[in-house]
Amino acid sequence: DADVTQTPRNRITKTGKRIMLECSQTKGHDRMYWYRQDPGLGLRLIYYSFDVKDINKGEISDGYSVSRQAQAKFSLSLESAIPNQTALYFCATSDRRSYNEQFFGPGTRLTVL
Amino acid sequence: QQQVKQSPQSLIVQKGGISIINCAYENTAFDYFPWYQQFPGKGPALLIAIRPDVSEKKEGRFTISFNKSAKQFSLHIMDSQPGDSATYFCAASDRDDKIIFGKGTRLHILP
Repeated sequence: DADVTQTPRNRITKTGKRIMLECSQTKGHDRMYWYRQDPGLGLRLIYYSFDVKDINKGEISDGYSVSRQAQAKFSLSLESAIPNQTALYFCATSDRRSYNEQFFGPGTRLTVL
Repeated sequence: QQQVKQSPQSLIVQKGGISIINCAYENTAFDYFPWYQQFPGKGPALLIAIRPDVSEKKEGRFTISFNKSAKQFSLHIMDSQPGDSATYFCAASDRDDKIIFGKGTRLHILP
């Protein structure tokens, strides 16, 4: 969905490096989410934010941090990347008036060597 | 822990056949049950959704069947086409606004 963009789309890094994944949206939604997708494990919620001043941990937040710089921007950081953080990462947004439908970005494929 | 259990993990169906994916949940507070469709290299996108006050919802070739007493719901794809080949996720959410996803089903439609 072009309304939700993620950068970079692909990233290869080494163990111990700090990595930031960025998400921007032009949908005007107040809610943003970060998910991780692994084969056979589905989509697991890392962090979510219902507005600029609100940050909440999801199911698998250990090893990750987030920053909501503006309503339209939500970044995910791996402070010290490890190989088992190799995965596909998705950002998503939703509107509080129709919170159930989430709109996903195209994903970032991260490989930690 | 809130869970949504999805089966099968993978499914192969002949063109023109019916594809059926099943999900089960435990939390009776869930009040919204969407299905997301994901093509390779893309993010998931909402396909169809249902609320527990109805037992069935149909949109084109896609139908959700919902059994509240059994806490189960399923996606039926009628006249399956090769273009339906994708990964499908069932999900559930409650008034807390988070969506819990199933682990996904990789569907392949044989031409």
